[in-house]
Amino acid sequence: EPEVTQTPSHQVTQMGQEVILRCVPISNHLYFYWYRQILGQKVEFLVSFYNNEISEKSEIFDDQFSVERPDGSNFTLKIRSTKLEDSAMYFCASSETTSGRREYFGPGTRLTVL
Amino acid sequence: SQQGEEDPQALSIQEGENATMNCSYKTSINNLQWYRQNSGRGLVHLILIRSNEREKHSGRLRVTLDTSKKSSSLLITASRAADTASYFCATDAAIGAQKLVFGQGTRLTINP
Repeated sequence: EPEVTQTPSHQVTQMGQEVILRCVPISNHLYFYWYRQILGQKVEFLVSFYNNEISEKSEIFDDQFSVERPDGSNFTLKIRSTKLEDSAMYFCASSETTSGRREYFGPGTRLTVL
Repeated sequence: SQQGEEDPQALSIQEGENATMNCSYKTSINNLQWYRQNSGRGLVHLILIRSNEREKHSGRLRVTLDTSKKSSSLLITASRAADTASYFCATDAAIGAQKLVFGQGTRLTINP
């Protein structure tokens, strides 16, 4: 089965530092997503991306967050100045379409902000 | 109000027994999906059921969908210790939204 990959698997950073989380979606997929899961809580939508622009974002996705597809394969999530409350598991996902679709999730990046 | 609420929040059964988890949602949907997550790990897709389907099977999994009650159930038959995990339902809205909305999950423990 095709896979979404994410790097790194675990990132530790100091509060106020910038982090970039990387994802390689499935190659023929057109829609890309980031979700996060704070420890012990449910998975929350952050942002969706299509045709090189954000198509939807949640209220969590404020000015500290940005996404980019810098080349034909990578999809990144940048947090400019990390806060303690950004500590969470971040999942990337991709799908072929947006309607009636299955989203394929990556294994996640565990971000720890100290 | 929350979309995609599972119950029970936690379920503990003996190996070999069947486990049933329920999910309720509030808005019209295109699909409902069930995912499994082992502690601290990634999301494993189990099954997708479309809004015009009522029941779907995959191996030991059976999912039902009742759109009139806005609810779904996941049945795992003949449970095994390896089924111990958290189970989440996720919905995507019928109109407009491109995101999945996840429930709080059911923590399933299978006792040997």
